[in-house]
Amino acid sequence: GQNIDQPTEMTATEGAIVQINCTYQTSGFNGLFWYQQHAGEAPTFLSYNVLDGLEEKGRFSSFLSRSKGYSYLLLKELQMKDSASYLCAVVMIKAAGNKLTFGGGTRVLVKP
Amino acid sequence: DTEVTQTPKHLVMGMTNKKSLKCEQHMGHRAMYWYKQKAKKPPELMFVYSYEKLSINESVPSRFSPECPNSSLLNLHLHALQPEDSALYLCASSAQRDGGKTQYFGPGTRLLVL
Repeated sequence: GQNIDQPTEMTATEGAIVQINCTYQTSGFNGLFWYQQHAGEAPTFLSYNVLDGLEEKGRFSSFLSRSKGYSYLLLKELQMKDSASYLCAVVMIKAAGNKLTFGGGTRVLVKP
Repeated sequence: DTEVTQTPKHLVMGMTNKKSLKCEQHMGHRAMYWYKQKAKKPPELMFVYSYEKLSINESVPSRFSPECPNSSLLNLHLHALQPEDSALYLCASSAQRDGGKTQYFGPGTRLLVL
């Protein structure tokens, strides 16, 4: 089986930095995704990590440590529009294909 | 075209009705997915199609019946649903060139079963 944990909610101020942690326990690990989902909308792809280290993409960065089963998503220079749920998702290799399993999501509220 | 489309956007049905959800993509992706998402919960995988063949069924009840008529289309046929099946149903697709990992989601169909 697999277990993916992330905080339920975080609050931060506009212009600040927020780090969302994700820990996982899974077999057949084949990468980790971060998705952003605004209320009532579909998840949108933010980042993908399969090797250890930091991936930077504009204001968003994602880090992975496979040995620790740990990832984080770093949001810099927060904007009001960044208020959303952030989903950590792990790819597992199955005989029938790749399976994406989501954590519970972290609701981020950005305040003025 | 980098979009996954889903119809209808909203659907209300009774427990004795038969309805279908439709999903379409023209990105040449050969893997397509159905997810169910309840309010304030993450998406849960239901089915995976790879090259138009069902490859993963996550023990979904038979009142949900998927169909992949061709590489661009994915349907989800609904019959005799229960009120607890009310949820957002998301379709996604992925390419094979990166191992089919990056999934692109459609806007979803919000289903209410009365």
